[in-house]
Amino acid sequence: EAQVTQNPRYLITVTGKKLTVTCSQNMNHEYMSWYRQDPGLGLRQIYYSMNVEVTDKGDVPEGYKVSRKEKRNFPLILESPSPNQTSLYFCASSLSPHYEQYFGPGTRLTVT
Amino acid sequence: GENVEQHPSTLSVQEGDSAVIKCTYSDSASNYFPWYKQELGKRPQLIIDIRSNVGEKKDQRIAVTLNKTAKHFSLHITETQPEDSAVYFCAARPYSGGGADGLTFGKGTHLIIQP
Repeated sequence: EAQVTQNPRYLITVTGKKLTVTCSQNMNHEYMSWYRQDPGLGLRQIYYSMNVEVTDKGDVPEGYKVSRKEKRNFPLILESPSPNQTSLYFCASSLSPHYEQYFGPGTRLTVT
Repeated sequence: GENVEQHPSTLSVQEGDSAVIKCTYSDSASNYFPWYKQELGKRPQLIIDIRSNVGEKKDQRIAVTLNKTAKHFSLHITETQPEDSAVYFCAARPYSGGGADGLTFGKGTHLIIQP
């Protein structure tokens, strides 16, 4: 089954404790991206990747890191999480930015 | 960068009536305009998209129109049904001729279908 998976689905953590949210797709997509969704603000792109070892900033990259060492995986790293990073995070993949993006199930992160 | 404005933020219509959601974009180089639907507690899913070489596209009860001169595009849903209740997001993707620009989303429209 074609899918995008994210882990964990829910995470409660404390300020400053490094965390990683994993994202994996099995559709051989080249384009992957991370979004955060906040009430009233819609979906905002954090980072995206056109292919292995090719990443670029989206609209809200501050406080986040990503890596793309393998085509299928695109982890999101928060090296020192802060309460303003409390949000719902979605990973997505597609053949290219001009095609349908397939979203993962989301990760609800709470930073206290 | 691209800026996408979406209106209205909330839209309530009677079942069976039509619904129209409008978006404007700022970057004249944008050439891809998708619409996503997000049901409560679920992930966004593409419902229709349009590219800049096309003025209108239809898929059963859903249609999207694009006016490149005015830099706006709209989603039209006819004969609305209860299952159309959701949040709808428009988006635009600028083309930088070889570079990779991200997708910019509008803030969303909460569509409520009244029985």
